[in-house]
Amino acid sequence: GAGVSQSPRYKVAKRGQDVALRCDPISGHVSLFWYQQALGQGPEFLTYFQNEAQLDKSGLPSDRFFAERPEGSVSTLKIQRTQQEDSAVYLCASSFVGNEQFFGPGTRLTVL
Amino acid sequence: DQQVKQNSPSLSVQEGRISILNCDYTNSMFDYFLWYKKYPAEGPTFLISISSIKDKNEDGRFTVFLNKSAKHLSLHIVPSQPGDSAVYFCAASAGNTGKLIFGQGTTLQVKP
Repeated sequence: GAGVSQSPRYKVAKRGQDVALRCDPISGHVSLFWYQQALGQGPEFLTYFQNEAQLDKSGLPSDRFFAERPEGSVSTLKIQRTQQEDSAVYLCASSFVGNEQFFGPGTRLTVL
Repeated sequence: DQQVKQNSPSLSVQEGRISILNCDYTNSMFDYFLWYKKYPAEGPTFLISISSIKDKNEDGRFTVFLNKSAKHLSLHIVPSQPGDSAVYFCAASAGNTGKLIFGQGTTLQVKP
């Protein structure tokens, strides 16, 4: 497909489990972003990559959150020792140039 | 500290009439503004954007107005259609980082 894809679409985790969320950006898009969207809120910035370089991780809420994009294409957001407050929709977006970002459908994470 | 605010959680209009969605921001460094539309269980879809050097941008039924002195922007949809019913997010960015700051969203319902 031509759009941003994310997997899994839904993830249920027990508190304390580690999870890994995957993002496949649009082919050729240099920039990749992760956002967290809580229920009833707008997306909140987590981190940003330009190719394989993580240029901004100021939005990551704690050191339990880790993101990587080792080959400058697919990215993984990992959350260690999940807690209930991590429950949210995690959105990935990519862009080629400029500020117009194309979003994937998101992964809904529920931590029990 | 909410840098981008959408003070109306919801808006209901009749089909064929104008929909006006509003957004206020506090950070004078923002130089690019975007509107996204979101359906349930999907990621946000880009609608229209405006640079801070302009005060109006039009694309079909959608027009965005920017008032820099008031730090206010609005999205006009004319004529509104039932398919426009969705959550609309205003977003802003500063410089070339591409990092987007989102408002809380406004749910638009267009009644047939």
